[in-house]
Amino acid sequence: AQTVTQSQPEMSVQEAETVTLSCTYDTSENNYYLFWYKQPPSRQMILVIRQEAYKQQNATENRFSVNFQKAAKSFSLKISDSQLGDTAMYFCAFMGNNAGNMLTFGGGTRLMVKP
Amino acid sequence: DADVTQTPRNRITKTGKRIMLECSQTKGHDRMYWYRQDPGLGLRLIYYSFDVKDINKGEISDGYSVSRQAQAKFSLSLESAIPNQTALYFCATSDRGQGRSYEQYFGPGTRLTVT
Repeated sequence: AQTVTQSQPEMSVQEAETVTLSCTYDTSENNYYLFWYKQPPSRQMILVIRQEAYKQQNATENRFSVNFQKAAKSFSLKISDSQLGDTAMYFCAFMGNNAGNMLTFGGGTRLMVKP
Repeated sequence: DADVTQTPRNRITKTGKRIMLECSQTKGHDRMYWYRQDPGLGLRLIYYSFDVKDINKGEISDGYSVSRQAQAKFSLSLESAIPNQTALYFCATSDRGQGRSYEQYFGPGTRLTVT
């Protein structure tokens, strides 16, 4: 079974600064997908960014980018120019190349952006 | 209107009561999922369904049952609620296939408290 570990339960960053959230995972699969979800106080789960394991290029979505290290099984999220609206729980998630599109989540990192 | 809806949004119930959480979607997706979220544990899969006649247990199905009444509706039941089922519950949907269809779309969540 796959496991996903987020080693930072809480983090804080000053507005306009850059912060990196860590995620590691364990799998024996070669093809899979990785995701970062954001959960603001509204509770809604919002997809921030996705990475296909077969792609060597790191995914980028505006201020959000990932550092995907397949050999190390590491998938960190970098948030540049942090904004107050980035304050949220962030979950890393793994989806294997199985038939069900099922997600395995990490325990989450609570990010606080300070003015 | 939201693509994935959940009712109720919040519920307080007593130990031993039967309760049903409902999920509806207008995305036309075949696959539906129920997760529960607990602090520090992220989201864990309770049940998932590939279509109306295909229902499967997830990681933590004990104490829960589900019903897929139609392609668009997937209900989660707690036959006899207990306090450690107090959690945030999410419904999600996804399409089968490749590429962006791997994404899961989440409902707004149901906060359940069992006293």
